[in-house]
Amino acid sequence: DAGVTQSPTHLIKTRGQQVTLRCSPKSGHDTVSWYQQALGQGPQFIFQYYEEEERQRGNFPDRFSGHQFPNYSSELNVNALLLGDSALYLCASSLPGLAGRGASYEQYFGPGTRLTVT
Amino acid sequence: DQQVKQNSPSLSVQEGRISILNCDYTNSMFDYFLWYKKYPAEGPTFLISISSIKDKNEDGRFTVFLNKSAKHLSLHIVPSQPGDSAVYFCAASPNAGGTSYGKLTFGQGTILTVHP
Repeated sequence: DAGVTQSPTHLIKTRGQQVTLRCSPKSGHDTVSWYQQALGQGPQFIFQYYEEEERQRGNFPDRFSGHQFPNYSSELNVNALLLGDSALYLCASSLPGLAGRGASYEQYFGPGTRLTVT
Repeated sequence: DQQVKQNSPSLSVQEGRISILNCDYTNSMFDYFLWYKKYPAEGPTFLISISSIKDKNEDGRFTVFLNKSAKHLSLHIVPSQPGDSAVYFCAASPNAGGTSYGKLTFGQGTILTVHP
């Protein structure tokens, strides 16, 4: 049973460019959350997708957007990249929770995508 | 505004002894708490969790204690093993009745080193 997978593993982009990161959730999970982890910090919540809709959003600008597909996989898009966007981007999936609420408390993380903006 | 804090950036422990990792939180809406372990080049791995209706949860060598009045939780690892060396994050989630259900807020992490 594959866990959460993410691609690519590493990515180098230039300031001002756009990037798309991909995530496949653990089998049986229907909710996907994205986190940004800067060096020496804990993961910070970007947003969460459930039933192909963005259900919650953290304190990130509109340059950060996402999508969830019918097979529950998800993409994170970042436009107009800034040097400060350099970080490890983590995807987490979770089991169906309470009806209409999506995520259960426990989230399972992928290995992350290391994004470097130069 | 750091709602979840791990004030010890690092902890060094001898193999076989107890490791105690601490975490404080400020948001009274947090209702569920989790500990994750992270090795380099891997994503965080879920370790153990506790609901606010409990004050202790045990799973093998790992025990989490919650002091709700002090807004403090701790993770005890007994006995510590060299393979436990990793970064440990505590995380918190609001309760199911809140609008931020499922959003985890993490602390900054504590680097645990267990010496043979």
